[in-house]
Formats: sequence, C-alpha cells, structure tokens
Amino acid sequence: DGGITQSPKYLFRKEGQNVTLSCEQNLNHDAMYWYRQDPGQGLRLIYYSQIVNDFQKGDIAEGYSVSREKKESFPLTVTSAQKNPTAFYLCASSIDPRTGGGNQPQHFGDGTRLSIL
Amino acid sequence: KNEVEQSPQNLTAQEGEFITINCSYSVGISALHWLQQHPGGGIVSLFMLSSGKKKHGRLIATINIQEKHSSLHITASHPRDSAVYICAVFSGSARQLTFGSGTQLTVLP
Repeated sequence: DGGITQSPKYLFRKEGQNVTLSCEQNLNHDAMYWYRQDPGQGLRLIYYSQIVNDFQKGDIAEGYSVSREKKESFPLTVTSAQKNPTAFYLCASSIDPRTGGGNQPQHFGDGTRLSIL
Repeated sequence: KNEVEQSPQNLTAQEGEFITINCSYSVGISALHWLQQHPGGGIVSLFMLSSGKKKHGRLIATINIQEKHSSLHITASHPRDSAVYICAVFSGSARQLTFGSGTQLTVLP
C-alpha cells in the first residue's frame, strides 16, 4: 500500500548533537512538508518542498535543515542550534505543489517523537 | 496571519451520542480540512471542503463561508471515534495550511 513512512518513531538527542528524521513516501507526490506539533498548539510548518532539489522555509525553520535529493525522500535534520527541539514531528505529502498544498488532501506519516537526554 | 479557533478543546461523550466540533477562522479561505489524529500520533485526512456539506459514513462536515465557520458532526458515536480532531484552513495569501489546536474527543462505552 502507498503511504508515508517516518523513522524512527522515538528519538533522543544529546546536547550539541544533530539528529536526522527520515521521511519516505511511495505515493509519487511532488510536494512534501515537515510540521512540528507541541502540546496544546496547532501544527506549525518547518519546511516544505514542491519539487526535487528545491525547498522553502516555513514559519519555524530556524535550527532545522532539509534536503530533497529524491522525490521519495525528505529528511529533516534538527541541528544543535534548535534550542527547544522536544516535540512531535510530522511529515506530509500532497500531489500538486502549485497551490501550497492547501487545496488537496495531505497524507501524513505516523510521526517521530524527539526528546532531549 | 489567519487564526483558527476550535471548540470545545475537550469533549467527553457517551457511546451513541451525536457530537459536534466547531471551527472558526478569521480571514477568507479557499479550502478547509478536517483531520483525525489517533492516540499514536498518526494523522488521517477526513474531509476537504470549500462550500456546503460533505458526508462520509457517520461523519458530516459543513462549512459556512460567510460566517467563517465549519462544523464536524459524528452521528452514533463509538469509542473508536476517540481521537483528536483538527481543523486546518488554506488561504491564497498565506499559501500554506494554518492549523487549529485540536479537539480531544473521548467516547465512553
């Protein structure tokens, strides 16, 4: 079945360490997104990519980096510059990137929960 | 920036009850999404609508563009409906989804 796979499900980061969250999709979607979810808040957009080798910052990109070398993959790196990285991270994709992903359903992964040691 | 407000934040119901979750937003939009987040964290898209009403099984979503308001109804609720329900809106000016903080629904047997 087609879908989005995020790994790992749980991740722990030490102080000063960079960690990378994986997101893979086999839906043949052009657009992919990374969101952060904190308790009591709505999802916030970190980065999005409309096409291979291109990506754009969202509302809270500071302390994060991404790459889009393949259509299927959109990994997110949480760098040591992100001072409050503890959160639930969700990856999503949609078919047509032209409208910013709002006029069509987005497909979500099961998320990665990142905690600080 | 568009704001999305959901109410109630928490809702507990008995099995079989009719449930309504509300979503209000502040600017013009081109689409509104209702999402369901399971206890494990995964999110499923339930509806995307820009006008009128949509129905899927026991779920019904309505939107009133003039009043900037949408409702999600669940008929004959069941414990398996227990989840967080999230409203998200898309406006051309923002060019991205803006999410509400969610409604935690618990349906007791």
